[in-house]
Amino acid sequence: GQSLEQPSEVTAVEGAIVQINCTYQTSGFYGLSWYQQHDGGAPTFLSYNALDGLEETGRFSSFLSRSDSYGYLLLQELQMKDSASYFCAVRDRQSNYQLIWGAGTKLIIKP
Amino acid sequence: EAQVTQNPRYLITVTGKKLTVTCSQNMNHEYMSWYRQDPGLGLRQIYYSMNVEVTDKGDVPEGYKVSRKEKRNFPLILESPSPNQTSLYFCASSSKPQGLRRETQYFGPGTRLLVL
Repeated sequence: GQSLEQPSEVTAVEGAIVQINCTYQTSGFYGLSWYQQHDGGAPTFLSYNALDGLEETGRFSSFLSRSDSYGYLLLQELQMKDSASYFCAVRDRQSNYQLIWGAGTKLIIKP
Repeated sequence: EAQVTQNPRYLITVTGKKLTVTCSQNMNHEYMSWYRQDPGLGLRQIYYSMNVEVTDKGDVPEGYKVSRKEKRNFPLILESPSPNQTSLYFCASSSKPQGLRRETQYFGPGTRLLVL
């Protein structure tokens, strides 16, 4: 079946750079998306990769390598407000466009 | 303002008492879905709908029903709630998926449900 794996928790220091990985097993999908969710809030869209390579949006970048079944979200110049959970997701080609989600990575930022 | 609304935001009920959580979006989106979120399990899709009168089961559809009679509304129905349906529920919508084109999921604020 289709699945996405992410680390459950990552810790980093304010001002640093952190990478959150997403590896997947799926027979075919459209692009890879990333969402951010603060405690008590709803997920919000961060980034999307349709093709292999790097996409940059301000302090956030996302990368996809289909040949390696791998993607990551890169957060630079970490701020305390970046403390949140981050989810990767793909749109599955095989099951009528169902969205498949990773279990999420909790990012803890220390001063 | 583009938004997805859910009601109620908080609900405490008892086992077996039918309930409906409403979801409405004002962005003319074709695609709508329901998720439940439990600690350590991320977002699990319950049902999704590609358009009016078209619904499909997600990963955890047991115990839930949905309907899509109008494009903007996608209510979630629990005919006979049980304690294991205590969870945080999110409704989401997006434009119609089309190949590699990016489509953004817009989420409602969530509904916290406690079934006693």
